[in-house]
Amino acid sequence: GAVVSQHPSRVICKSGTSVKIECRSLDFQATTMFWYRQFPKQSLMLMATSNEGSKATYEQGVEKDKFLINHASLTLSTLTVTSAHPEDSSFYICSARERGREQYFGPGTRLTVT
Amino acid sequence: DAKTTQPTSMDCAEGRAANLPCNHSTISGNEYVYWYRQIHSQGPQYIIHGLKNNETNEMASLIITEDRKSSTLILPHATLRDTAVYYCIVELGGNNRLAFGKGNQVVVIP
Repeated sequence: GAVVSQHPSRVICKSGTSVKIECRSLDFQATTMFWYRQFPKQSLMLMATSNEGSKATYEQGVEKDKFLINHASLTLSTLTVTSAHPEDSSFYICSARERGREQYFGPGTRLTVT
Repeated sequence: DAKTTQPTSMDCAEGRAANLPCNHSTISGNEYVYWYRQIHSQGPQYIIHGLKNNETNEMASLIITEDRKSSTLILPHATLRDTAVYYCIVELGGNNRLAFGKGNQVVVIP
């Protein structure tokens, strides 16, 4: 199957700072990338969809000014959590798909805001 | 948006076939059914997907009823490593957006 990586795997930051998470498709061109968030013992929640070269489309209730998404190339998307607060602590997971194919998920990034 | 209903949890015997049911009675004609699984603290792993016809790959088989209102994922020979939360998902409209439900916690027992 296709490989998607995320960096970093874990990050701890102080309240009020910003954190950037990278998502890369390693062996295919990802025309669409997705960002999810998962709180403990809950399911994944889709945050936004981004197509290469276009602005991201955010799901209802997700603040686009807080969660900045950039999908500048066919192999890289970034999620920046701006002015992070403890309630933003979560497991952030990206996925990527090639046109017409299924989504493949990254291993996730554990964010802890202190 | 089509929703899915799965058992909250189920146990399966190691070495036996595991049949995981899913109801999706409001599915539209052009919406695919996807199956993923997630092992604790990892990203979900793609298993299989289908539209109308039954599908099989190296991991599993997917049986979709003729009216497409339900499907069954079959793991032919369950192993302990198949213990995971299994998600049956119908894509949200176009662009392959996936809405994960609560999933089915499957435990394979020796």
